[in-house]
Amino acid sequence: DTEVTQTPKHLVMGMTNKKSLKCEQHMGHRAMYWYKQKAKKPPELMFVYSYEKLSINESVPSRFSPECPNSSLLNLHLHALQPEDSALYLCASSQVGFDRGYGYTFGSGTRLTVV
Amino acid sequence: KQEVTQIPAALSVPEGENLVLNCSFTDSAIYNLQWFRQDPGKGLTSLLLIQSSQREQTSGRLNASLDKSSGRSTLYIAASQPGDSATYLCAVRRNSNYQLIWGAGTKLIIKP
Repeated sequence: DTEVTQTPKHLVMGMTNKKSLKCEQHMGHRAMYWYKQKAKKPPELMFVYSYEKLSINESVPSRFSPECPNSSLLNLHLHALQPEDSALYLCASSQVGFDRGYGYTFGSGTRLTVV
Repeated sequence: KQEVTQIPAALSVPEGENLVLNCSFTDSAIYNLQWFRQDPGKGLTSLLLIQSSQREQTSGRLNASLDKSSGRSTLYIAASQPGDSATYLCAVRRNSNYQLIWGAGTKLIIKP
């Protein structure tokens, strides 16, 4: 299995809703990432988990709450989002080991629309 | 500060042509460079990964080169096809850091 699977593919939510995005990989990668991508822009890093622990939070608002229940799963919990949070949310994974220069594997993304 | 630039921003060529996409970076202290493809509204597909110690990588009709000293990478696509139409992004991984530094992408259109 060489894929990163994201669900759902599309999500429409109101500003008072609570929803979660899910990401799963079975490649044995121990680093997992959440990225946000706006139209015609490159992805922006949000969070990095390494060995199931949060190692990087790129000053993301608290209405986004990541969770890594185990080495294969990554969730992003959403609450009280704003319309400007509408974007494509991408999950990625990689092996850990800075001396090896591992590449990243991305999922197909969740298209989020906040109304 | 590492900056990554992709030129051109958009490219339209007839089917069958060979073409080159460019990626330049300002700091040669990189771990690797990765080329991705993105179809509209979709996720990122990794095309080629070049380690800092490598000069090139090949996969099918794709060939990526890396020249760290000049801060340049190129993605060569041979015998282009309409299915190659997509946005191509390059990303540099910095030393001792999870961060990927991204170029803005080149939107490629292959005309039948």
